[in-house]
Amino acid sequence: DQQVKQNSPSLSVQEGRISILNCDYTNSMFDYFLWYKKYPAEGPTFLISISSIKDKNEDGRFTVFLNKSAKHLSLHIVPSQPGDSAVYFCAASRDEKLTFGTGTRLTIIP
Amino acid sequence: DVKVTQSSRYLVKRTGEKVFLECVQDMDHENMFWYRQDPGLGLRLIYFSYDVKMKEKGDIPEGYSVSREKKERFSLILESASTNQTSMYLCASSFATRGEQFFGPGTRLTVL
Repeated sequence: DQQVKQNSPSLSVQEGRISILNCDYTNSMFDYFLWYKKYPAEGPTFLISISSIKDKNEDGRFTVFLNKSAKHLSLHIVPSQPGDSAVYFCAASRDEKLTFGTGTRLTIIP
Repeated sequence: DVKVTQSSRYLVKRTGEKVFLECVQDMDHENMFWYRQDPGLGLRLIYFSYDVKMKEKGDIPEGYSVSREKKERFSLILESASTNQTSMYLCASSFATRGEQFFGPGTRLTVL
């Protein structure tokens, strides 16, 4: 049973435009949500997180939105840059364990 | 900077061999984790440890075991490697009360 879902395996966005990556979850006990970025042949690197008591967190070009009633979170990247091309994983935390989605491959077109 | 290192970047083993994957972190983190990453399946938790000599099964522990004799080191053991264990293996660590995990570079294991 996939508790964290990323329904878009891939996404292509023009450089300079906004990239929006989506994630849905089913377990209402998750209390913390994170986004990771992964380049090929490297481990995931932490990008941004949000507590379940908030609905928005912003860090530079990256903003995460949480809609608890819909059990949905999204990552906005604006403006998108070529270096943002990577696989993005959302993750949900409970009891210090993370459950990851299947990832979305983002390609930024110059 | 947090550093998580894994003993090998690439490893090729034969079916039935015993395989050891080592992970070391230098930030005195309490928690350590082993994941495998497969296309279309994301990262799946194999085992984790909250403290020295403690271990907990994750979502897919079958065919694996772990060892944590020292706080900074967490080993993943494949007792008898099989071809379906060909995968990217990722180690991570975190502080006890924070969600953010720090990952190593991964070990690409191929079992022939």
